[in-house]
Amino acid sequence: AQRVTQPEKLLSVFKGAPVELKCNYSYSGSPELFWYVQYSRQRLQLLLRHISRESIKGFTADLNKGETSFHLKKPFAQEEDSAMYYCALSRGGSNYKLTFGKGTLLTVNP
Amino acid sequence: ETGVTQSPTHLIKTRGQQVTLRCSSQSGHNTVSWYQQALGQGPQFIFQYYREEENGRGNFPPRFSGLQFPNYSSELNVNALELDDSALYLCASREQGARGYTFGSGTRLTVV
Repeated sequence: AQRVTQPEKLLSVFKGAPVELKCNYSYSGSPELFWYVQYSRQRLQLLLRHISRESIKGFTADLNKGETSFHLKKPFAQEEDSAMYYCALSRGGSNYKLTFGKGTLLTVNP
Repeated sequence: ETGVTQSPTHLIKTRGQQVTLRCSSQSGHNTVSWYQQALGQGPQFIFQYYREEENGRGNFPPRFSGLQFPNYSSELNVNALELDDSALYLCASREQGARGYTFGSGTRLTVV
């Protein structure tokens, strides 16, 4: 069975501080991992996917198969990063269902 | 404009009633998924349609059903509503080869 765990419900940091949102997953095959973000009063949107190895808005995430983790990191948080972040897993290929974690609410204080 | 529109935005129904939620995707988005998001939870997969055929289903009872139409619109139908069906229902669609799904803003369903 697929499972995604985001251990922190809330995370609060100061502007300019590094931020790391944790995501652990459980899946026996080769999953595809995503981070979705929901800013206040906006819809859920894709932030990044592990297969692209990209950096979006200064965020990066590395898939660690040994630790079954896909933590989201940013070296210097900005106030506009305040949002709800969801880690999600697909069993392989973007055309399959997404299994979401419960989300982490990130607040970046001035 | 992200190309996925859901209606209505809010809805209140009585237990036992039936409800139809609608989603309109942009042209070329031939895969559509529906998710249920309860308060404080991440979205949970209900089912998925590809070219008007259901091709995946989550752990939801048969009273949750759907349709996808040739014009890239889709419906989620829920029969015999229960109080626990109160949630935000999200539609997400995708075109072949896209990076990921585009989500709608959701329909907030309250069952009383």
